[in-house]
Amino acid sequence: DIQMTQSPSSLAASVGDRVTITCRASQGIRNDLGWYQQRPGKAPKRLIYAASTLESGVPSRFSGSGSGTEFTLTITSLQSEDFATYYCLQHNSYPWAFGQGTKVEIK
Amino acid sequence: QVQLVQSGAEVKKPGASVKVSCKASGYSFSTYYIHWVRQALGQGLEWMGVINPTTGETTYAQHLQGRVTMTRDTSTSTVYMELSSLRSEDTAVYYCARRTSGFDFWGQGTLVTVSS
Repeated sequence: DIQMTQSPSSLAASVGDRVTITCRASQGIRNDLGWYQQRPGKAPKRLIYAASTLESGVPSRFSGSGSGTEFTLTITSLQSEDFATYYCLQHNSYPWAFGQGTKVEIK
Repeated sequence: QVQLVQSGAEVKKPGASVKVSCKASGYSFSTYYIHWVRQALGQGLEWMGVINPTTGETTYAQHLQGRVTMTRDTSTSTVYMELSSLRSEDTAVYYCARRTSGFDFWGQGTLVTVSS
């Protein structure tokens, strides 16, 4: 099974900050990775698919990069609505696996 | 527009079973696999399994094998997830999600509470 290690588990940032979240896969998954944002009480929402493709309607301050085993989600100029929890998901092979999540909080 | 609408909240006793439904609309039901994901309160997301709506073929997470069953009804474009021998650790919000390079659409979630 492929394990996803996401870091950090939480971070505190201010509006306007640049934020970087990392996911590492235990084996190569090509670019079969997505990033999801979840606000309290809501279903997750996909931000990025195929590691670096921005979902339609998602602000361009979100970007994804990486391939193989190392992946990054970057939020440039953090906005108030971005305070949420973020998850990566590998969908290269079953069982699919999420990272542990990163909670982005207000500093 | 694409929608996945799930059944309502459930309260079950330990040892019982629960069956959650997920009704799809706004697209061709047979075209996309449906997955189930759960989230215990305050915890992360956990992949449970997947069903091919055309063939009914399923793949389940190893640790749920023997307790989870996913089925579909093509006449109503509905997918079902049944979890048996419930225990307190199964208390969670259960989501169905449509597969497209990961998940593009999600149901609203169904809270299942297991309590004596």
